[in-house]
Amino acid sequence: QSALTQPRSVSGSPGQSVTISCTGTSSDVGAYNYVSWYQQHPGKVPKLMIYDVSERPSGVPDRFSGSKSGDTASLTISGLQAEDEADYYCCSYTGRYTSIFGGGTKLTVL
Amino acid sequence: EVQLVESGGGLVKPGGSLRLSCAASGFTFSSDSMIWVRQAPGKGLEWVSSIGPSGTYIYYADSVQDRFTISRDNAKNSLYLQMDSLRAEDTAVYYCARRWDYFDYWGQGTLVTVSS
Repeated sequence: QSALTQPRSVSGSPGQSVTISCTGTSSDVGAYNYVSWYQQHPGKVPKLMIYDVSERPSGVPDRFSGSKSGDTASLTISGLQAEDEADYYCCSYTGRYTSIFGGGTKLTVL
Repeated sequence: EVQLVESGGGLVKPGGSLRLSCAASGFTFSSDSMIWVRQAPGKGLEWVSSIGPSGTYIYYADSVQDRFTISRDNAKNSLYLQMDSLRAEDTAVYYCARRWDYFDYWGQGTLVTVSS
């Protein structure tokens, strides 16, 4: 199964909003509300930012939000800050306790 | 505090074997599903395998099916990944993580290098 499709890179200036898309199929993103997003700074461990499409774990700023429409999920970061610069990965449940990640998106804060 | 600590990584020749461990603490290990995720150098995350709380369900990515074996010992709060017939493309940092639907806690990772 191919990885979910994410843009390789996005960028934005401090204070702006950016949206990262994550496109799957009717067998993964489109089939389940189990989409999650992870932030990974260079050399660091991935961190859960969004789960169940739009839920935020405790401690994650409300600047981070998630949504889904059909086979495409999205992560929106509003009020961009320098520390948001990182790689972001989406992940979708694909059934039978298996999951698939997106290829990752590098966010650059200009 | 939830902690996951991987160990067992290292350098191994193609065709060789390695067993990774993940020691869990700070939560009821026997109640949670666990997974392994890997990340090749400079690449993205790849879901590798999952195991249910009692080990009754086990699934693998196609890329490791029939070569890797996931297991757990709930008495020891430990998760394992037996990796056989290793290939160069298995070179990666291997992370253990909690849950099957989203992964809320991750270990620091252990590096596996497959090279002659």
